[in-house]
Amino acid sequence: AQSVAQPEDQVNVAEGNPLTVKCTYSVSGNPYLFWYVQYPNRGLQFLLKYITGDNLVKGSYGFEAEFNKSQTSFHLKKPSALVSDSALYFCAVRDGITGGGNKLTFGTGTQLKVEL
Amino acid sequence: ETGVTQTPRHLVMGMTNKKSLKCEQHLGHNAMYWYKQSAKKPLELMFVYSLEERVENNSVPSRFSPECPNSSHLFLHLHTLQPEDSALYLCASSQGPTSGTTDTQYFGPGTRLTVL
Repeated sequence: AQSVAQPEDQVNVAEGNPLTVKCTYSVSGNPYLFWYVQYPNRGLQFLLKYITGDNLVKGSYGFEAEFNKSQTSFHLKKPSALVSDSALYFCAVRDGITGGGNKLTFGTGTQLKVEL
Repeated sequence: ETGVTQTPRHLVMGMTNKKSLKCEQHLGHNAMYWYKQSAKKPLELMFVYSLEERVENNSVPSRFSPECPNSSHLFLHLHTLQPEDSALYLCASSQGPTSGTTDTQYFGPGTRLTVL
């Protein structure tokens, strides 16, 4: 079985400061990891994904995420937060061993609030 | 979000009504998905269609009935719903089996459903 944990319901950060949104995962095989962002009254927008290769993945809007196999983590980061980054962020995982199609398991989401 | 569109954006229905949600993808994808998003809960995968064939049904009550007439369109037919079915219903699409491990889902804006 595959699972994702986002330990923080909310993260507050000042504009211009670096931000981190945490995600840990559990899978049987190789993990395929994704980050999505959801703005109010909108669907989920794809930010970035890790499939294989470099542990540091760069995505949209200046976001990046670091894959850490030993800690089973895939934290989302941005060097300098913007007020417009305030949104709900979801981490998701797909287990590479199950062959069960494209079944993604999502975390419960982390609300990011960036203040002036 | 023009890649995946959903109509209507908002729907209020009584418990005895019959209504349908529509999803259309303009990305040339072969797989489509229905998710339910409720407050404070992870996204729940409801149905998966791959090449117009239903490949996943996550123990969804029969009052939800999906239909995929072609690879670009997906419907969710609703009848005799309960108030606890009120949620945001999200549609997604992906390339599907042909894209292998890199398959990425792209979401529509969702339909906010309220059951009275």
